[in-house]
Amino acid sequence: GESVGLHLPTLSVQEGDNSIINCAYSNSASDYFIWYKQESGKGPQFIIDIRSNMDKRQGQRVTVLLNKTVKHLSLQIAATQPGDSAVYFCAENILAQKLVFGQGTRLTINP
Amino acid sequence: KAGVTQTPRYLIKTRGQQVTLSCSPISGHRSVSWYQQTPGQGLQFLFEYFSETQRNKGNFPGRFSGRQFSNSRSEMNVSTLELGDSALYLCASSAGTSGIQDTQYFGPGTRLTVL
Repeated sequence: GESVGLHLPTLSVQEGDNSIINCAYSNSASDYFIWYKQESGKGPQFIIDIRSNMDKRQGQRVTVLLNKTVKHLSLQIAATQPGDSAVYFCAENILAQKLVFGQGTRLTINP
Repeated sequence: KAGVTQTPRYLIKTRGQQVTLSCSPISGHRSVSWYQQTPGQGLQFLFEYFSETQRNKGNFPGRFSGRQFSNSRSEMNVSTLELGDSALYLCASSAGTSGIQDTQYFGPGTRLTVL
């Protein structure tokens, strides 16, 4: 299938540290990428997006980096807080036709 | 502004039945997309509607269908339910003027269980 989610990779970080979540995308024709955060019992929440003509974009406490050469996307969260605990998904827009989501990474914050 | 709303939030059906899920987009949004989320396959795109027309479609069988009304509200229907259709069905809305590249805002989902 286009995404696998049975066993989510997990990242555990200490509160206050920076987190980096990585994502490899599949299609070199993808031109738009989005990071979503999903908390338990809720739908995905938009965090930040980036278009393929950029390699970095910053938001509030978050930065997305795009490396088209190796088809890699990362989300950096600065000064991680307990409320950042969630599953994080990257999504790629393929030919403006559909969004394909990555498998997701579960971020756990240790006090 | 109110967010995307989905009804019902939970649903239990038996194999062979059909089900209709409803989505109300954010006011002013004209595009509605539907996704299926399961532990095994993750989040998968079903289809997108814009101005009452299906604009994009994922790789799901014809048992999955949808429609959009003139007020942008959307419904999706699954006929002849199978056990594997048990999933969280998510609806997302966007302004729709740039297709899938518009920021999509998700609703809380409808949890469908097929027995």
